[in-house]
Amino acid sequence: DIVLTQTPLSLSVTPGQPASVSCKSSQSLPQSGGKTYLYWYLQKPGQPPHLLIYEVSNRFSGVPDRFSGSGSGTDFTLKISRVEAEDVGVYYCMQATQTPLTFGGGTKVEIK
Amino acid sequence: QVQLQESGPGLVQPSETLSLTCTVSGGSISSGRSYWNWMRQPAGKGLEWIGRMYSSGSTSYNPSLQSRVTISADTSKNQFSLKLSSVTAADTAVYYCAGGGRYWGQGTLVTVSS
Repeated sequence: DIVLTQTPLSLSVTPGQPASVSCKSSQSLPQSGGKTYLYWYLQKPGQPPHLLIYEVSNRFSGVPDRFSGSGSGTDFTLKISRVEAEDVGVYYCMQATQTPLTFGGGTKVEIK
Repeated sequence: QVQLQESGPGLVQPSETLSLTCTVSGGSISSGRSYWNWMRQPAGKGLEWIGRMYSSGSTSYNPSLQSRVTISADTSKNQFSLKLSSVTAADTAVYYCAGGGRYWGQGTLVTVSS
């Protein structure tokens, strides 16, 4: 199984400041049809995960442009250019390139 | 916009079979090259992939659960279902259905208890 390791486990950010979450894969994520199926989600309490980024760097519909994704191979990053109060919650990465699909352990983001 | 909704019993007896259904609207489960997932999340913990069904009808399961899991579809109702047999308290979780990696249902809490 592909293990995804997220760092940091938690992050406390001042509004307006940037934030970054790392997702490292235990093996290089293969491409399928030229795509790497690495996703980023935000889960708020009592809600399902909400898709932010798909295929490493594509923002999902309605996601603010302060969110961006990058990376390749084994190293992937989610960046928030200017954190807002509504960005609090737990961020997860997920790979869907190889079964079983696997998730990172999550990064909790809170506002200072 | 694709929408998914889970339904099924919220309480299951130990050793029994957990059965959930996901109703999909805004898209067909049998069209294109789509796949339809089941995930779960125990309270306060991370996410676990259970398995998925392709639009062709083929399935793929998490090896950790494979001996107990069946995912099937009712294309006439645009639904797909999860059956998890021989459940224990460790199977207590919020269960989500998802379309690909993009669209998720709201989730349904299933508690395994006598």
